[in-house]
Amino acid sequence: GAGVSQSPRYKVAKRGQDVALRCDPISGHVSLFWYQQALGQGPEFLTYFQNEAQLDKSGLPSDRFFAERPEGSVSTLKIQRTQQEDSAVYLCASSETWIEAFFGQGTRLTVV
Amino acid sequence: AQKVTQAQTEISVVEKEDVTLDCVYETRDTTYYLFWYKQPPSGELVFLIRRNSFDEQNEISGRYSWNFQKSTSSFNFTITASQVVDSAVYFCALSEASGETSGSRLTFGEGTQLTVNP
Repeated sequence: GAGVSQSPRYKVAKRGQDVALRCDPISGHVSLFWYQQALGQGPEFLTYFQNEAQLDKSGLPSDRFFAERPEGSVSTLKIQRTQQEDSAVYLCASSETWIEAFFGQGTRLTVV
Repeated sequence: AQKVTQAQTEISVVEKEDVTLDCVYETRDTTYYLFWYKQPPSGELVFLIRRNSFDEQNEISGRYSWNFQKSTSSFNFTITASQVVDSAVYFCALSEASGETSGSRLTFGEGTQLTVNP
């Protein structure tokens, strides 16, 4: 595809349920980022991959959050035992250079 | 630590008015990048501009212009002759230039909701 694709667009999870959010970056983009955007706030950095290597995961809020990019392309953000405070839009971005990032439309997660 | 402040939470204007969105940043780095993104209701962040810390020349792109002033740590964005399609949330962001190993993680402001009324 032409842009960054994220799925699902919307996810409703019951508290305690595990969820997996998928990101298909732009083909050939080495860098991939995940951000969390709470309602009415700016996006906040979660984690960064360069190819399959996770070089920075300092923004992950707890050990319930886990991200992977096993083949250096598609990435999955997994949240275990979801809690209400996890409700947010999760944005994925990819870049060819380390400066300019292209964002997907995000996955809106609602934990009920 | 890096910080971006967008003091204007919401701005409402009438079509054809000019509007300026303010952005103030804090960083200890001497080399950094500043960005503006537009977020329409669809949710996707649309890149508008990138500026590096050594280039204080103002930039104009159509109805958009940006004023970077290092002395006041500000990077303001002006839309001239606003249109209804400009209605969106606008984010200012900062990235340190630490090299490829740390990527280009962005620190965003809280955004300004711009509403342009017909």
